[in-house]
Amino acid sequence: DQQVKQNSPSLSVQEGRISILNCDYTNSMFDYFLWYKKYPAEGPTFLISISSIKDKNEDGRFTVFLNKSAKHLSLHIVPSQPGDSAVYFCAARPWNYGQNFVFGPGTRLSVLP
Amino acid sequence: DTEVTQTPKHLVMGMTNKKSLKCEQHMGHRAMYWYKQKAKKPPELMFVYSYEKLSINESVPSRFSPECPNSSLLNLHLHALQPEDSALYLCASSRGDYSYEQYFGPGTRLTVT
Repeated sequence: DQQVKQNSPSLSVQEGRISILNCDYTNSMFDYFLWYKKYPAEGPTFLISISSIKDKNEDGRFTVFLNKSAKHLSLHIVPSQPGDSAVYFCAARPWNYGQNFVFGPGTRLSVLP
Repeated sequence: DTEVTQTPKHLVMGMTNKKSLKCEQHMGHRAMYWYKQKAKKPPELMFVYSYEKLSINESVPSRFSPECPNSSLLNLHLHALQPEDSALYLCASSRGDYSYEQYFGPGTRLTVT
């Protein structure tokens, strides 16, 4: 049973527009959430995180929103650039299980020039 | 230096072989991780070492044996693997305190024949 879900396997967006990647989770024990980006033949790269005590965190072109009641988070990329084309993973950590991160299946983002 | 290095990049081994994967970081991180990633799937946590002690073992078969010789090095010893163990093996590290950002290496692509 997937505890972290990313229901869109892929997403295509025009360069300069907003990319919105979604993530849903089922475990109410999760208290910290992260987004990673992965290019082919490379390991995942940390992008941005959010604690469950916040509902928004911003870093440059990347903003993560958390809706705890809906167990939903989203990553907004504005403006999207061709170099953003990658697989994006959402990950979550339960408050009572140390460094155990659970990853979603990923969404492949393609930013079209 | 914000790099996690992994060797080898690729490994092909028979089911009776013994081999080792190596991971190294020089960021002073005190937590190191092994993940397994199958094609089109998210990374799955295998082991966590925290301050050179094994803190998490996610019910991984004994044919995988982790070792942390010092705070900069992490090994994964492989013995009597099965073809279904073929995957990308990712190493990651983090500060080890409440900083959850993980730095990933590029991975070792393992094929078991």
